[in-house]
Amino acid sequence: EAEVAQSPRYKITEKSQAVAFWCDPISGHATLYWYRQILGQGPELLVQFQDESVVDDSQLPKDRFSAERLKGVDSTLKIQPAELGDSAMYLCASRPGGSWEQFFGPGTRLTVL
Amino acid sequence: SQQGEEDPQALSIQEGENATMNCSYKTSINNLQWYRQNSGRGLVHLILIRSNEREKHSGRLRVTLDTSKKSSSLLITASRAADTASYFCATDPLSGGYNKLIFGAGTRLAVHP
Repeated sequence: EAEVAQSPRYKITEKSQAVAFWCDPISGHATLYWYRQILGQGPELLVQFQDESVVDDSQLPKDRFSAERLKGVDSTLKIQPAELGDSAMYLCASRPGGSWEQFFGPGTRLTVL
Repeated sequence: SQQGEEDPQALSIQEGENATMNCSYKTSINNLQWYRQNSGRGLVHLILIRSNEREKHSGRLRVTLDTSKKSSSLLITASRAADTASYFCATDPLSGGYNKLIFGAGTRLAVHP
C-alpha cells in the first residue's frame, strides 16, 4: 500500500541552527500539505501546494520558514534559524484529485534545545 | 487557528463499552472528517460526512452532523484496546478554498482491557 514518506523521523537541533524536513507524497497526489502539531494540540496547516505552486501559506512564519516543491513531487520544509518554540511534530500529507481525504506521513519530531 | 473543539478532552473506558466524542465548529463547511492518531504517529482518515448528510456509518463507527448547531459526534461501538488513540475532527470550510482542513484539539481515548 502506498504511503507518504517523511525524513528524518526525529531531529534534535540547537536554537539558531537550520533544519530541513523532506516529504515524498503518494505517487499521483497533486496536493501536498505541511502541518505543525504542538504536543496536545491538533495539526495546524503551514503550507499547501497544488503541484509545484503554493496555494496557501497564510500561517507560515515566512521570516524563518520556507517550503518548496520544485518538480511538483517531493517537498522540503526548512526552518532557519530554529527557535525553542518550533519544537513540535511536523506532518506532511497528500491528497489525490477528486477526493477530500488526506493521507498523512509518520511525521518528523523536532526538538530545539 | 483551530476551528473545531472536541469534547471531552480525554475519555477512559473499558473494552466493550461505547465511546462518544463530540466536535463543535464555527463556520459553514463543505464536509467534516474524523481522523485517528496513535501516539507519536501520523493521522489516519476514519470517515467523512458531507454537509448535506446527517449520519454515516463505517464498521463500528457512526458519525452524525448537525449543521444548524455546527456540531458532530463520533461513536465507536464495542471498543477495543486497539482503539486507544487521539481522535480529531477536521472541517473543510466553505470559504477556505483549495480543500484545506482545520483540525480541533482532539479527544484522547484510552480503552482498558
